[in-house]
Amino acid sequence: EADIYQTPRYLVIGTGKKITLECSQTMGHDKMYWYQQDPGMELHLIHYSYGVNSTEKGDLSSESTVSRIRTEHFPLTLESARPSHTSQYLCASSEPDQFRQETQYFGPGTRLLVL
Amino acid sequence: KNQVEQSPQSLIILEGKNCTLQCNYTVSPFSNLRWYKQDTGRGPVSLTIMTFSENTKSNGRYTATLDADTKQSSLHITASQLSDSASYICVVSDRGSTLGRLYFGRGTQLTVWP
Repeated sequence: EADIYQTPRYLVIGTGKKITLECSQTMGHDKMYWYQQDPGMELHLIHYSYGVNSTEKGDLSSESTVSRIRTEHFPLTLESARPSHTSQYLCASSEPDQFRQETQYFGPGTRLLVL
Repeated sequence: KNQVEQSPQSLIILEGKNCTLQCNYTVSPFSNLRWYKQDTGRGPVSLTIMTFSENTKSNGRYTATLDADTKQSSLHITASQLSDSASYICVVSDRGSTLGRLYFGRGTQLTVWP
């Protein structure tokens, strides 16, 4: 099992609240990612980071923001949660090799429900 | 448009039986193809990875095949067990960016009954 952790595992919150989803990995990986996954649908990349102080937006437009102050920590923040943010959020990390064949290691996910 | 299509969408088999899941992709250029297993409420876990030059890769009872000419892959599960119940996701990586962008299929939901 990969050493990547997400908290909380489940979160029910009201509209308009600010939330932060935590993600930490102990593998020393430079690359980290946030994905959004709805039931029966593919994963969509919403943010990624190449390393400390590096963050980029992914393919799926998201109102969330991320930060990467430490290698092991990649939190995702929603300033004002809305029901449309209800989804599962998966964090992942990877270490690139010289052939760019890198395997992403996923955390257990956070299931978010916004009422 | 780069896409990854998986079939069937869902599958129910009896314990001990074999099954094969399919993945067709249009991603180009192509770097590698992975199969992930995602248990309910968990993150995906890598099962196999294959590059352009590899036709088959095994991991225990899981055997993946790749036909890069027809852009098709399959995942064969032998002697299924109840713990095989999960979503199996096909993921294709391109060479078109330094990120090595990943394209995810929607997965095949496999249920193994006793």
